[in-house]
Amino acid sequence: DQQVKQNSPSLSVQEGRISILNCDYTNSMFDYFLWYKKYPAEGPTFLISISSIKDKNEDGRFTVFLNKSAKHLSLHIVPSQPGDSAVYFCAAPPNAGNMLTFGGGTRLMVKP
Amino acid sequence: EPEVTQTPSHQVTQMGQEVILRCVPISNHLYFYWYRQILGQKVEFLVSFYNNEISEKSEIFDDQFSVERPDGSNFTLKIRSTKLEDSAMYFCASSEMETYNSPLHFGNGTRLTVT
Repeated sequence: DQQVKQNSPSLSVQEGRISILNCDYTNSMFDYFLWYKKYPAEGPTFLISISSIKDKNEDGRFTVFLNKSAKHLSLHIVPSQPGDSAVYFCAAPPNAGNMLTFGGGTRLMVKP
Repeated sequence: EPEVTQTPSHQVTQMGQEVILRCVPISNHLYFYWYRQILGQKVEFLVSFYNNEISEKSEIFDDQFSVERPDGSNFTLKIRSTKLEDSAMYFCASSEMETYNSPLHFGNGTRLTVT
């Protein structure tokens, strides 16, 4: 099941610079997307979401962009901080229910 | 901030044994979930639970699995006869409303090791 894919398993960024995490999806029925952040030994924590009626949603340092024609979304973190070092998952509910399909995750390392 | 709590944090069991993983969802949440993550793989949906019954389940959630809300606060996942391939991190989650309207809050997980 590869409905949601994160092709970069890891990303390393210098503190203060922009982090861009990418996610692709195949199911055109997806119309709501979420990003979760996960620290070691903790559960995923909700970060930001976007509905398909928008192409951008911003919350502080975090912005999610959605390109429906390309079936692609990205999470931008500006400026990146060492505390942002975590695994980031994109996820989508495939129908109106509650099941979330997760991508494989991207491990972000922000170097001081 | 209220949180989802899971116990135990680590459970080791022998193949064929029954295990019960326990969760206390956030108190005003109505929807409850179990997900799992096998080492090196994706986080996978197992089951969702609302109004004292299963609302959705995945192919993984076969007859060996069951869920229960035995009282007003706990939510449990039982694996009747564990297999080696059940070794994974199991995450409980809860939400106020359905996923479209309310993000999931996850616990810190129970690492299940089947030997």
